[in-house]
Amino acid sequence: DAGVIQSPRHEVTEMGQEVTLRCKPISGHDYLFWYRQTMMRGLELLIYFNNNVPIDDSGMPEDRFSAKMPNASFSTLKIQPSEPRDSAVYFCASRRGQGGTATNEKLFFGSGTQLSVL
Amino acid sequence: GQSLEQPSEVTAVEGAIVQINCTYQTSGFYGLSWYQQHDGGAPTFLSYNALDGLEETGRFSSFLSRSDSYGYLLLQELQMKDSASYFCALSGYSTLTFGKGTMLLVSP
Repeated sequence: DAGVIQSPRHEVTEMGQEVTLRCKPISGHDYLFWYRQTMMRGLELLIYFNNNVPIDDSGMPEDRFSAKMPNASFSTLKIQPSEPRDSAVYFCASRRGQGGTATNEKLFFGSGTQLSVL
Repeated sequence: GQSLEQPSEVTAVEGAIVQINCTYQTSGFYGLSWYQQHDGGAPTFLSYNALDGLEETGRFSSFLSRSDSYGYLLLQELQMKDSASYFCALSGYSTLTFGKGTMLLVSP
């Protein structure tokens, strides 16, 4: 399996521009998570999906952030308009099952998108 | 809510044993996980404790004590490649809440 695939790997944009981050989860995984990582706040959960349905978006910082999962193999995280404080590494992760047991707890992360908003 | 505390940095020498501690506060959880992240890389799963006690996976072991709200990751026979950040994470209903991470520096 190719693992969780994210694109782009790096994104540099100017304040006010729209940014779209993409993720392809591992085939057969029914849970998809978007995390943001910064030095100050660590790894923060933004939103997660189960069977393509958004379950909890309470971590999305504000209305400028939106996420979709139109099908089981694709998800996007969009920031519009972007601001310098959005600069961070954004990770997508997937898992088969709800977690909580030794057999399905493991979360698989993509390589991340390093976003820089100037 | 949930919160986890880890030391920000730990240093050790090659061949040594190091323990990374994690204390947490939560109203309920399924278990405690550990992830490793090399600089510029993605977090990768190391271990999971659903029950109290020790779980061993090769050179790495993880421990959980629910009564003490405490866990640790034990790394034995340290190698240079073990230099990385290590995160503990609480497993809740479907989600993971991560600590801020501990940077482990292994020197020759």
